[in-house]
Amino acid sequence: GDSVTQMEGPVTLSEEAFLTINCTYTATGYPSLFWYVQYPGEGLQLLLKATKADDKGSNKGFEATYRKETTSFHLEKGSVQVSDSAVYFCALGWGGLTGGGNKLTFGTGTQLKVEL
Amino acid sequence: EAGVVQSPRYKIIEKKQPVAFWCNPISGHNTLYWYLQNLGQGPELLIRYENEEAVDDSQLPKDRFSAERLKGVDSTLKIQPAELGDSAVYLCASSLVGGPHNEQFFGPGTRLTVL
Repeated sequence: GDSVTQMEGPVTLSEEAFLTINCTYTATGYPSLFWYVQYPGEGLQLLLKATKADDKGSNKGFEATYRKETTSFHLEKGSVQVSDSAVYFCALGWGGLTGGGNKLTFGTGTQLKVEL
Repeated sequence: EAGVVQSPRYKIIEKKQPVAFWCNPISGHNTLYWYLQNLGQGPELLIRYENEEAVDDSQLPKDRFSAERLKGVDSTLKIQPAELGDSAVYLCASSLVGGPHNEQFFGPGTRLTVL
């Protein structure tokens, strides 16, 4: 079955540092890939998505590229801020641009802490 | 536009008691999802509704869990009786299948503690 593996956290960075959160997936075929972010006390929010190989999703300075050859979708940001502190979930889905019609398979999440 | 609303936000009960969670999806969204999120884990789908029909309930433990979505809008998830292992966050999400943006929108969740 489908699965998503993320690097374990917490990841602690200083403000303005470069961020990478690794994500790899296992699936038969080519799913859509997503990064969701969960701020304390809030629900999950879609951060970015990619629907086919070599697509790059980007939003709020975050980027991730769908790499079919390595089955990866690593999240990157060039300069993190304290406000980026949250839990980040990598996910895959099927059926539509954002997997809205089918379930999402999530990784375990990576907590990011950004300090001044 | 209001987001997905869930209540209660927190619930503490003793084992063997019943409990119910309520979800109001975004207006016009025809698909509704209930996810279970254990501590330190990603959400896992329990059940998906398209309008009032449960189209995927393969992961719902039917011996103690039940759900309904009357009139294809609000939904209720029930556990009876609750067990210690049911302590988790229960997330509701909704989406508009067939629309230009089929993003799943999540509510804040209900944190259940079973003592």
